[in-house]
Amino acid sequence: GESVGLHLPTLSVQEGDNSIINCAYSNSASDYFIWYKQESGKGPQFIIDIRSNMDKRQGQRVTVLLNKTVKHLSLQIAATQPGDSAVYFCAERPGGSYIPTFGRGTSLIVHP
Amino acid sequence: KAGVTQTPRYLIKTRGQQVTLSCSPISGHRSVSWYQQTPGQGLQFLFEYFSETQRNKGNFPGRFSGRQFSNSRSEMNVSTLELGDSALYLCASSLGTGMEGYTFGSGTRLTVV
Repeated sequence: GESVGLHLPTLSVQEGDNSIINCAYSNSASDYFIWYKQESGKGPQFIIDIRSNMDKRQGQRVTVLLNKTVKHLSLQIAATQPGDSAVYFCAERPGGSYIPTFGRGTSLIVHP
Repeated sequence: KAGVTQTPRYLIKTRGQQVTLSCSPISGHRSVSWYQQTPGQGLQFLFEYFSETQRNKGNFPGRFSGRQFSNSRSEMNVSTLELGDSALYLCASSLGTGMEGYTFGSGTRLTVV
């Protein structure tokens, strides 16, 4: 079946740098996308979402970009901090479904 | 507001036993979804309950079952445990529209020996 995947399993950055985590999706019928952050020993935490009728959405220090032409989603984190170190998951919701499909995750490591 | 509460946090069981995990969703949320998380397979969807009815089901064997009560609290049960069932089991709470993110609990870490 179609699935969501991540290009980079591990991303290492220096504190203060901007981070970009990428995600490819293959289901052209997906109409809703979400990013989650999972810290060690905790459940995933909602970060930001975007609907397919948008191509950009900004939150506090985070921006999600959606490129439907190439089926690509990215999460940008500005001025990355050590507390941003975690595994980041993207998820897509196929249109008409109540259940999102999760990607495998990218580990972000922030060096002080 | 209170978050999603999963109990217990840790469990150690023997092969062949059964186990019941509990999840209390956020007040007002009618949908509870269960996921299995392992290093090799990532987040795998088990099932979703909405207003006491199983609305969606993933590709897990019948040994995995669940239910939801009238107060939206949910339980999942795994019978005849296998070593491969060792995982973090996560409960996710939502309004159930499909167009909002989940609120996850901290999970139950199940170890089968």
